[in-house]
Amino acid sequence: GESVGLHLPTLSVQEGDNSIINCAYSNSASDYFIWYKQESGKGPQFIIDIRSNMDKRQGQRVTVLLNKTVKHLSLQIAATQPGDSAVYFCAEKTQAGTALIFGKGTTLSVSS
Amino acid sequence: NAGVMQNPRHLVRRRGQEARLRCSPMKGHSHVYWYRQLPEEGLKFMVYLQKENIIDESGMPKERFSAEFPKEGPSILRIQQVVRGDSAAYFCASSGPPADTQYFGPGTRLTVL
Repeated sequence: GESVGLHLPTLSVQEGDNSIINCAYSNSASDYFIWYKQESGKGPQFIIDIRSNMDKRQGQRVTVLLNKTVKHLSLQIAATQPGDSAVYFCAEKTQAGTALIFGKGTTLSVSS
Repeated sequence: NAGVMQNPRHLVRRRGQEARLRCSPMKGHSHVYWYRQLPEEGLKFMVYLQKENIIDESGMPKERFSAEFPKEGPSILRIQQVVRGDSAAYFCASSGPPADTQYFGPGTRLTVL
């Protein structure tokens, strides 16, 4: 899901900066959220996930924040590297559902 | 530890021909999902299958598209009488239990001439 005002289709950062990619989801019944990274010509690659009983989860250089009150999800990438350049998608799913619902992607460009 | 495998990676068909896309799930996974991605867009769910069963086909077009996941062998997404609008990237994902993370294959890029 995505919402006007929160979703930026592109984000350009300098190498070493921290990146924040935002996503607004649409279904208040969604209880599972995933961030995927998609490089050109490749399939989506799992980055990190979070369930609705949490509001923050950390991985290696990445943090996902979930705000259920405003139905907002963000992905923070620390010390962004050129290899992080890709399109990033958030996806949501309900407990009863099987399909992932993808938001519109954000293209992250990292310059050296 | 092979991930999700898809073949062919690229497929070119003329209008009216049939397209067959194959997907082998990750080892140990018995749940397969197919998604379609148009240029500059996110992925759209098509169908969810377990071995020998279609569980959810709510995203499948009503005509020309079918999917199967036989007891032996890969899952197949079949598009009959392709049209130019079928040109897209088709991705397969697999998971263990359906509540778990879906891992994606590299996709098949279908071009209809």
